[in-house]
Amino acid sequence: AAGVIQSPRHLIKEKRETATLKCYPIPRHDTVYWYQQGPGQDPQFLISFYEKMQSDKGSIPDRFSAQQFSDYHSELNMSSLELGDSALYFCASSLRENTGELFFGEGSRLTVL
Amino acid sequence: AQSVAQPEDQVNVAEGNPLTVKCTYSVSGNPYLFWYVQYPNRGLQFLLKYITGDNLVKGSYGFEAEFNKSQTSFHLKKPSALVSDSALYFCAVRDVNTGFQKLVFGTGTRLLVSP
Repeated sequence: AAGVIQSPRHLIKEKRETATLKCYPIPRHDTVYWYQQGPGQDPQFLISFYEKMQSDKGSIPDRFSAQQFSDYHSELNMSSLELGDSALYFCASSLRENTGELFFGEGSRLTVL
Repeated sequence: AQSVAQPEDQVNVAEGNPLTVKCTYSVSGNPYLFWYVQYPNRGLQFLLKYITGDNLVKGSYGFEAEFNKSQTSFHLKKPSALVSDSALYFCAVRDVNTGFQKLVFGTGTRLLVSP
């Protein structure tokens, strides 16, 4: 079965650079979520989209933005990168009316030097 | 706000012994509870969920969890641990208050199964 696809899997950037992460949800899933997991931390919710509209917002810095496109894939854009942005970024998808589980991708590891 | 707590940073158990990873929850309304497992540098894999129905929920890889409303707990259990079960385990609750249903995770418990 198709899973959530994230790219790139690994990314190395310098401070103050920008980075873009991509997420392709499971087909027919209408909701996408972005999470950030710092070293030794639990995943923290950043932002979610339902039917291409932002549906919820968590602890996402103002330097970050995200959107969901017409084909339902989503991109997380990060600017003015800081050392503290180094983390594993997960995307997850689900059907909104489903109270079941979220399906997670393998994550994108961002390292800021 | 919905939340879950995992009181143990690490649980150590010998292979073949039963294991329990604890989770307590705080929710308004009906709880939607989940367990996920994370192996090093990997994504979060779904293990099991409680939405409604039987208090004992069976999931993947021989894991089960018991929903206890009076104790507001949702402990993860396995009758006989394997070395390959060593991983990071997260309890989570689905925040349905806003209608947008994101998952809120606990702080995680590292399970170490020794041979």
